[in-house]
Amino acid sequence: EPEVTQTPSHQVTQMGQEVILRCVPISNHLYFYWYRQILGQKVEFLVSFYNNEISEKSEIFDDQFSVERPDGSNFTLKIRSTKLEDSAMYFCASSELAYQYFGPGTRLLVL
Amino acid sequence: KNEVEQSPQNLTAQEGEFITINCSYSVGISALHWLQQHPGGGIVSLFMLSSGKKKHGRLIATINIQEKHSSLHITASHPRDSAVYICAVRVDSNYQLIWGAGTKLIIKP
Repeated sequence: EPEVTQTPSHQVTQMGQEVILRCVPISNHLYFYWYRQILGQKVEFLVSFYNNEISEKSEIFDDQFSVERPDGSNFTLKIRSTKLEDSAMYFCASSELAYQYFGPGTRLLVL
Repeated sequence: KNEVEQSPQNLTAQEGEFITINCSYSVGISALHWLQQHPGGGIVSLFMLSSGKKKHGRLIATINIQEKHSSLHITASHPRDSAVYICAVRVDSNYQLIWGAGTKLIIKP
């Protein structure tokens, strides 16, 4: 069965460093999403992406965040200058229409 | 203000019991999702509903659009059902999901 994959599974970085989280969505899917979950809190929407542009973004998704589809398969989330509060699990999802399939997540720890 | 509320927050039951988890929402939605999150953190979509009822194995999900309420039922519960169950809604005209806080379910053997 096709699945969404994410790399790395874990990342530790120093505050102020840039990180890139990578996702490979399911190949025929058109919509891509990033969510995050701070430890012990609910999942929060960050951004959705369709037709090579952002279709929606939340208040969390400020100028330090960016998304890109650099080639036909990858979908990336870049955090330009990480803060301690960016420590969270980041989930990528993709969908053909409304039903979203989730990746296993990247656990980001900012020290 | 929480747009998606789940109850209970925590639920512990014995193996074999019938489980019900509830979700209420306050916004107009185009669909409601039930998802399962295991201790390792991975999220699996269980159902997407816009009306009526869906069944998959021992899992049943129902939604009442007028009352803005959905329930997830597990029949003949098993310890492997232990996980966090999350309700998330897709708001009209948006793609994003608004998530509930989850219900932590523990099934004891």
